[in-house]
Amino acid sequence: KAGVTQTPRYLIKTRGQQVTLSCSPISGHRSVSWYQQTPGQGLQFLFEYFSETQRNKGNFPGRFSGRQFSNSRSEMNVSTLELGDSALYLCASSSGQGGGYEQYFGPGTRLTVT
Amino acid sequence: DQQVKQNSPSLSVQEGRISILNCDYTNSMFDYFLWYKKYPAEGPTFLISISSIKDKNEDGRFTVFLNKSAKHLSLHIVPSQPGDSAVYFCAASASDTDKLIFGTGTRLQVFP
Repeated sequence: KAGVTQTPRYLIKTRGQQVTLSCSPISGHRSVSWYQQTPGQGLQFLFEYFSETQRNKGNFPGRFSGRQFSNSRSEMNVSTLELGDSALYLCASSSGQGGGYEQYFGPGTRLTVT
Repeated sequence: DQQVKQNSPSLSVQEGRISILNCDYTNSMFDYFLWYKKYPAEGPTFLISISSIKDKNEDGRFTVFLNKSAKHLSLHIVPSQPGDSAVYFCAASASDTDKLIFGTGTRLQVFP
């Protein structure tokens, strides 16, 4: 079974631009979550989706948004990029509806904002 | 407010010995705990998990212990191998959500 895939793997953007990151979960997994990893803040939760519905949102500004499609694939969007948005963005999927299920992570998208 | 804490930023262990990584949490609503291993610029790799209804879970060389009254969990790796050298994160979640709260990580180095 293929793992979680994320595209693109690397991205360089300029301040003020917007970016869309994509995540394909493990086949059969309907739950997708997004995390941001930075050296200063560690791994921070962004969003959680199940069956196209956002179930939970982390403490991030409204510039960060996401969605999930009927095939469980998910995208996250960051508008009006700031230098501080430079980070590794990770997607995770699980087979359950929430809580008590193992989550498997993709390789991440490394976003650099200049 | 750091709800999940890993107070040891680093740990160095000789090959073949036991590695013990510790994690403390403050939120009593957490009922599922996971350990991940991570290399730089890669996604975390799931190692082992434990539900709050258990106090121990074992998988090969990895064992996780949970002490609910102390709000403490630990990961034991026996025997430690050089390939275990990485950063280890503990994470916790509450019922009805996949939202994981991560600790700050412990860098494990296993030397020959």
